[in-house]
Amino acid sequence: GQNIDQPTEMTATEGAIVQINCTYQTSGFNGLFWYQQHAGEAPTFLSYNVLDGLEEKGRFSSFLSRSKGYSYLLLKELQMKDSASYLCAVRPRLGLDDKIIFGKGTRLHILP
Amino acid sequence: GAVVSQHPSWVICKSGTSVKIECRSLDFQATTMFWYRQFPKQSLMLMATSNEGSKATYEQGVEKDKFLINHASLTLSTLTVTSAHPEDSSFYICSAKSASGLYEQYFGPGTRLTVT
Repeated sequence: GQNIDQPTEMTATEGAIVQINCTYQTSGFNGLFWYQQHAGEAPTFLSYNVLDGLEEKGRFSSFLSRSKGYSYLLLKELQMKDSASYLCAVRPRLGLDDKIIFGKGTRLHILP
Repeated sequence: GAVVSQHPSWVICKSGTSVKIECRSLDFQATTMFWYRQFPKQSLMLMATSNEGSKATYEQGVEKDKFLINHASLTLSTLTVTSAHPEDSSFYICSAKSASGLYEQYFGPGTRLTVT
């Protein structure tokens, strides 16, 4: 089966740093995605990791350890607009059936 | 960047009727489109994968006769919810994968379905 775990909710303060963890057990692995989703809107792509290590993109960074089945999304210099759900998703395999399995998402609340 | 549209953005229908939702890739050809359903405060649940010109592949527990998917062209996929019931009320989101794309799926803005 496929299992992706991440915390349900987190709270952080504006200007601070927050790390959202994700662990996965899937039948295969060909990449891990992080998406941001504001309430009532579709997800927007944040990052993609397929090799171990840290990928940095502005205020957001994503880390992957395939041997541990673990990833995290790091958000720096938090802004109020970062209040959203963050979805960890895994693609078990490449091919025509290139589906992505989503975790339940982490709702991040930013306090002023 | 790649743009995916959905129509309608929201729809209210009566129980027992059918509703069709369209998903279009506007500036690229999508060999594969995915349909998701999302209930309030929950994550996206993949319903089915559709490849142009072939039958959709449904996830376990999704009734293929209730959720009809057609992917007739490289830019259009449709999801028809047949004989809708209030429990089908949800946020339906499609995503599209480019034939030439590396890995990314592009999401549509979603369709809010309310069945009364």
